[in-house]
Amino acid sequence: GQQLNQSPQSMFIQEGEDVSMNCTSSSIFNTWLWYKQDPGEGPVLLIALYKAGELTSNGRLTAQFGITRKDSFLNISASIPSDVGIYFCAGQSFQGAQKLVFGQGTRLTINP
Amino acid sequence: EAGVVQSPRYKIIEKKQPVAFWCNPISGHNTLYWYLQNLGQGPELLIRYENEEAVDDSQLPKDRFSAERLKGVDSTLKIQPAELGDSAVYLCASSFGTNEQFFGPGTRLTVL
Repeated sequence: GQQLNQSPQSMFIQEGEDVSMNCTSSSIFNTWLWYKQDPGEGPVLLIALYKAGELTSNGRLTAQFGITRKDSFLNISASIPSDVGIYFCAGQSFQGAQKLVFGQGTRLTINP
Repeated sequence: EAGVVQSPRYKIIEKKQPVAFWCNPISGHNTLYWYLQNLGQGPELLIRYENEEAVDDSQLPKDRFSAERLKGVDSTLKIQPAELGDSAVYLCASSFGTNEQFFGPGTRLTVL
């Protein structure tokens, strides 16, 4: 079945640093989504990407839909303490009946 | 606008007992999803409803899991009997068609 490889699995950074994480797949997706999950809560949608090559920003967050449609990355600039959490990428394809497939998550820890 | 509502938030039961989770989607969202999230992993789809119809239940362990969405609005997921390995977070999500999915806070199940 479809699988997403998300890296890194965890990151430990200083407040103010930029962050970069990515997802790769063996399959093509027509939609890439990035979610953030805080402890004890459900995932919250951050950015949605619908077109190969698309670059979308949401405040300090920027995500891109890879040209090959098999990868995506998320950047966070000037990290702040509330950015702490687990970030998930998710891909959606027509072949999978629009089923959403999630990566394993990137756990972000910020030292003040 | 109210988000996806789930109850209970936490449930502790002994193995072989039954358990049920309830979800009320965002108003107007015709598609409802149940996901299973194991510790340190991304969510995995159990079942997807479009209105009252379960259109994808291929990942639902049907020997012990069942779900219903009788009136096409709220939904119930049941496990009977529960096993130790069922300990996880059960997430409900909803969307309008196959657009972005919005998640509830989840029910954390502990089976002793």
